[in-house]
This record gives sequence, C-alpha cells and structure tokens, in this order.
Amino acid sequence: DGGITQSPKYLFRKEGQNVTLSCEQNLNHDAMYWYRQDPGQGLRLIYYSQIVNDFQKGDIAEGYSVSREKKESFPLTVTSAQKNPTAFYLCASRMTGIGEKLFFGSGTQLSVL
Amino acid sequence: EDKVVQSPLSLVVHEGDTVTLNCSYEVTNFRSLLWYKQEKKAPTFLFMLTSSGIEKKSGRLSSILDKKELFSILNITATQTGDSAVYLCAVDQNSGYALNFGKGTSLLVTP
Repeated sequence: DGGITQSPKYLFRKEGQNVTLSCEQNLNHDAMYWYRQDPGQGLRLIYYSQIVNDFQKGDIAEGYSVSREKKESFPLTVTSAQKNPTAFYLCASRMTGIGEKLFFGSGTQLSVL
Repeated sequence: EDKVVQSPLSLVVHEGDTVTLNCSYEVTNFRSLLWYKQEKKAPTFLFMLTSSGIEKKSGRLSSILDKKELFSILNITATQTGDSAVYLCAVDQNSGYALNFGKGTSLLVTP
C-alpha cells in the first residue's frame, strides 16, 4: 500500500539529548513537510522540502534540523536547543503542482522525561 | 501577515444536529482552501475548494467557498458520534510554500 510511514509512534527524550523522527513515503511525492501540533494550536510548519538535497525553514524551525538525501525520506532531528519539544509531530507529502492535496503520516508523539 | 482563522474552536452537539464550521482567511496569492478531519492521528482529506459558490458534497458533509468575503464553511447534517473529531482548514498559496493551517475546530457529538 502506498503511504507515509512515521516512526516511532512514541518517543521520549532526555534533557540535552538529540532525537530523530523518521518519515518515509512511497507515493513518489516531490515535496515533504514537517508540522508540529500542540493542543489548541493547529499545525505549525517546521521545515519543508520540495526537492532532494534542498529544504527551507518554516515558521518554527529553531531547535530542529532536517535532511533530504533521498526523495522518499525526510527525517527530523529535534536538538537539545529545542527547549519545549513535547508535541505531536506530523510528516506530510504531496506532488508539487496546482491542486495537489497533502497526505499525512500517523504522527509521532514526543515527550520529555 | 497571512492568517487562517477557524471558529468556533470547540463545539458540542447532540446526535442528529446540523453543524456549521467556519474558516476565514487573509493570505496573499490564494490558490485553494482545503478541509481535513483529524480523528486520532493522521488528518484525512475532505474537500479542496478553488472556485467561489460551487458546493462540494460528500454524504452528509458539504463545503462552499466565498472568495469575495474570504471564507469557507463546512456543514455536517444529521451528525453522528463518528463525526467527533478536529476539523482543520488550510489554505494553499501560489508562493510554493506549505499549507497554512488554522487552529482547528474540535467537534464532539454526544449520543
């Protein structure tokens, strides 16, 4: 089945630790996105990438980093510089072009120990 | 500053009621408006609207866009407990940026 796979579903981070959230898609989509969701806050854009080896910061990129070495993969690293990382993280993808809707993964819930 | 505003932020109704969810926007280079339903984890796509006045319909759900007044509504008739979810509105812009999401409306349908 085609889709977006995020792992792990749940992740715990210790103080000062970097953690990486995985996102893989087999939809052959060009663009991939990372959103953060806090209760009552909707979805806020962290980073996005429209092509391999290129990515742009979103509205809340501080304390996060990404890479896009392959079309299928867009991992997100939450660094120790992110002081409030507890949130639900959603990865999404779509084709670039007019009228292309966004598809989402099932998300990763990150909590701080 | 681009913004997407949804109202109400939360709503509790009884089964069988009809609800109307609102989404207003102020963005540059509007391309389309999308509605998503988020029950637990992954938001699922409901509608994409690009033209004013043309209603999109799927079962008990329908949506319409007003590009002059810059808003959209999502209607759900004869609500069921399975309609309980967060409904997200998002705007796509020509700039090539990502979708701009509102904060969502949390709908609870009680038996």
